[in-house]
Amino acid sequence: QLVLTQSPSASASLGASVKLTCTLSSGHSTYAVAWHQQQPEKGPRFLMKLNSDGSHSKGDGIPDRFSGSSSGAERYLTISSLQSEDEGDYYCQTWGTGIWVFGGGTKLTVL
Amino acid sequence: EVQLVESGGGLVQPGGSLRLSCAASAFTFSRYWMDWVRQAPGKGLVWVSSINSDGSTTNYADSVRGRFTISRDNAKNTLYLQMNSLRAEDTAVYFCARGNYADPGVWGQGTLVTVSS
Repeated sequence: QLVLTQSPSASASLGASVKLTCTLSSGHSTYAVAWHQQQPEKGPRFLMKLNSDGSHSKGDGIPDRFSGSSSGAERYLTISSLQSEDEGDYYCQTWGTGIWVFGGGTKLTVL
Repeated sequence: EVQLVESGGGLVQPGGSLRLSCAASAFTFSRYWMDWVRQAPGKGLVWVSSINSDGSTTNYADSVRGRFTISRDNAKNTLYLQMNSLRAEDTAVYFCARGNYADPGVWGQGTLVTVSS
């Protein structure tokens, strides 16, 4: 079964970097994922599509502070030079046959 | 500016019906798969349904199959979600989204559906 696993929460200081992890279930380690950001009380925003080889394509207007990388079944989203507006929920998502599968989301707190 | 704007949400009694719309602008709507995703209060994102570019193929989450129908009108650049036999657990903000496998994703701002007596 295709499942994405994310840690429920993460925190980092203003100006620092943070690396969020999304883990693909067994047998699905070659799947690409998309990362989405949801700021408080707002709709989601597409950040990037991240492939198994670490290559990624970002959405329009997404700052260079957001980057992606991959290792095995892990897909990472790294945010550098953290700003207060980066606080919110981050979801990874992948594709089944005609369906989307979401991870449970990681709530990022900027200290 | 590429945009998706949902409408049609509101308060409905259990067992009732509602039709959501999603108006697309500034991109070639007819080229893209489109999806509905929902978010219950305080919860995460959950995929609901998808439709291919010409409307010939649809997919549904098990929780809504047989009750919800996704459709589209490419001449009007509009996506729909007909929701019947609504239940309290369907209460959520419903987002429409552009298919994001081959191209950058786009999300609407969402419309709130509340199912309550």
